Amino acid sequence: EVQLVESGGGLVKPGGSLRLSCAASGFTFSSYSMNWVRQAPGKGLEWVSSISSSSSYIYYADSVKGRFTISRDNAKNSLYLQMNSLRAEDTAVYYCAREVVAGTEDVSWFDPWGQGTLVTVSS
Amino acid sequence: AIQMTQSPSSLSASVGDRVTITCRASQGIRNDLGWYQQKPGKAPKLLIYAASSLQSGVPSRFSGSGSGTDFTLTISSLQPEDFATYYCLQDYNYPRTFGGGTKVEIK
Repeated sequence: EVQLVESGGGLVKPGGSLRLSCAASGFTFSSYSMNWVRQAPGKGLEWVSSISSSSSYIYYADSVKGRFTISRDNAKNSLYLQMNSLRAEDTAVYYCAREVVAGTEDVSWFDPWGQGTLVTVSS
Repeated sequence: AIQMTQSPSSLSASVGDRVTITCRASQGIRNDLGWYQQKPGKAPKLLIYAASSLQSGVPSRFSGSGSGTDFTLTISSLQPEDFATYYCLQDYNYPRTFGGGTKVEIK
């Protein structure tokens, strides 16, 4: 079974740091790009960051650029999000999602998603 | 960044109704669009990819159409388990952007 399990969320003070992890199983992790998506309480989905299979290509939303760092360890089948200089507006459930690409058609989609981990930034 | 404008933001419908949700991109995105369903307290689930391809295991009452800037998700006959929030997501370029969501509620 293809599965993603996030961990590392919690309560942190403004300006603090947190590192999220996403453990992958049931598929060849090193063959897929991975993403982080977040959802603030009662709000919609917001894409946060993407990393290619070999870490060659990395992208960030403007809202987190310079503060968050995405990384992966293919040997450990794990994805990470290092979050620094956290703000109240970073409070959200953070999901990791596998990106599936359709070969020659250059279209992609997110499937599956993990269950999410809650990050709360508050003093 | 490409803006994805989703409408309506919410709707009330009855079991058996035909429901249509639209997503408009601020620029052409070919068919690089997916639709996701999210139920309260759960992770989003893929329904449609490449604008019109049904994900394996998703009921055939769900369908997607469109290309370029205008896209539609249709539920042909709404079922009790379909009451949820639906999002579109463009995968044409970075940053990836979601529509604002459409909450489908019971009338």
